[in-house]
Amino acid sequence: NAGVTQTPKFQVLKTGQSMTLQCAQDMNHEYMSWYRQDPGMGLRLIHYSVGAGITDQGEVPNGYNVSRSTTEDFPLRLLSAAPSQTSVYFCASSSSVRRETQYFGPGTRLLVL
Amino acid sequence: AQKVTQAQTEISVVEKEDVTLDCVYETRDTTYYLFWYKQPPSGELVFLIRRNSFDEQNEISGRYSWNFQKSTSSFNFTITASQVVDSAVYFCALSEALKGGDFDAGNMLTFGGGTRLMVKP
Repeated sequence: NAGVTQTPKFQVLKTGQSMTLQCAQDMNHEYMSWYRQDPGMGLRLIHYSVGAGITDQGEVPNGYNVSRSTTEDFPLRLLSAAPSQTSVYFCASSSSVRRETQYFGPGTRLLVL
Repeated sequence: AQKVTQAQTEISVVEKEDVTLDCVYETRDTTYYLFWYKQPPSGELVFLIRRNSFDEQNEISGRYSWNFQKSTSSFNFTITASQVVDSAVYFCALSEALKGGDFDAGNMLTFGGGTRLMVKP
C-alpha cells in the first residue's frame, strides 16, 4: 500500500511551458484534491474531485486544469507556466468527501524561471 | 470565510522542555473539524490528529496532547519532553464545506501559516 504518490519530486520549467503533475493513490479513496504551499501561507486548495469524472475549482484555480478519469489518478496540468506558480504542490486524498482526514502525498517542488 | 491563526511563527526550545503551539480559528459553522499536521524537514505532511467540534475532550497520544476549547476558539498542541526529532513545521487546519454547507459536495482545509519548532540538543 503506497498511499498517495506524486511525480516528479522536482521540476524546473521556463515561463510559458506546460506540464502535468501526476498524483495517484491506491487506497480506493473517493475524494482527491490539489493544494499549493507558499512560504508563510500554509496550503491553499487549487482543485478537487469528489469522484471519478467529477472535478471542481478550489480557492486558487487560475492557470491549472484537472481531470479524474479513474478513481486512482488525479493529474494537475499547468497550461502555461508563470513564475507565480513556483511553489510546492501537494496532492491529498480521503476515503470519503465528508470531512474525512486527508492524507497528503510527498509533494512536487516546482520552479518556474 | 474561515480563518486559522498560528501566531507563533517560530519557537526554539532545548530538548526535554515542554512546548505549546497555539492555534486560534474562526468559523460560522456549528459543525466543523480541526486538524494538526506535521511537516518535517523532508517536506511531507504527516497527519497528527483530527477533532470534531462536538468533542471537547482533551486528547493525549504519548508525548503529544491537544487542548480544544470552543469558548476561546482554540485548539492548542503541547509536546511534552521535546526531542530533536520533533523539529518541524506544525500546521493547524480547519475543514470547511465548499458549497453551501453541503459536505458531500466537497470540503477544503483552511491552514494556518504554520509554526516552525526547533528543538536543540
